[in-house]
Amino acid sequence: KNQVEQSPQSLIILEGKNCTLQCNYTVSPFSNLRWYKQDTGRGPVSLTIMTFSENTKSNGRYTATLDADTKQSSLHITASQLSDSASYICVVSGLGKLIFGQGTELSVKP
Amino acid sequence: DARVTQTPRHKVTEMGQEVTMRCQPILGHNTVFWYRQTMMQGLELLAYFRNRAPLDDSGMPKDRFSAEMPDATLATLKIQPSEPRDSAVYFCASAPRDPNTEAFFGQGTRLTVV
Repeated sequence: KNQVEQSPQSLIILEGKNCTLQCNYTVSPFSNLRWYKQDTGRGPVSLTIMTFSENTKSNGRYTATLDADTKQSSLHITASQLSDSASYICVVSGLGKLIFGQGTELSVKP
Repeated sequence: DARVTQTPRHKVTEMGQEVTMRCQPILGHNTVFWYRQTMMQGLELLAYFRNRAPLDDSGMPKDRFSAEMPDATLATLKIQPSEPRDSAVYFCASAPRDPNTEAFFGQGTRLTVV
């Protein structure tokens, strides 16, 4: 069964600190892996998208890594800001479908 | 700027009533997804279309849900009859032909069935 699992389920950090979110997947065939940020009450917004051949991709303070051999990805947030408080969702694309993880709820406190 | 537009943003209806949710994908995008999001299940794929043809609707309860794309600028998701367990946020997303490009989500329709 195609699955995407994220950890931790929730995370609280202080403003200015770094954090790393994890994503493991079993989706096959694999097309690409995406990280989305979803603010409360809004639709998900894409942060990064990586194909099989890409190991890392950055978008400002967000850096995603992908190990296609172990089927693992991480999202690293540097120098967190209060506006980073949101749900971060790992999404794996295969056969044209997007398979979503349950998300990590990040809360950044002052 | 280009965006996926969903209407209505909020809908409260009584059990048994018909509900229709609409989505206008980004012009030129040929793939449209319908997702449902609840606290318990997260985001679940209900159906998706490519070039207006349904490719997969296995995530959708067939007895009460139906999804259509009458033309390239409109996708609809209909529930008839609605039930309280259908209460959720329904998202539409569209994507261009290249599978390695972003899918863009609408703001969602928050449905409450009482």
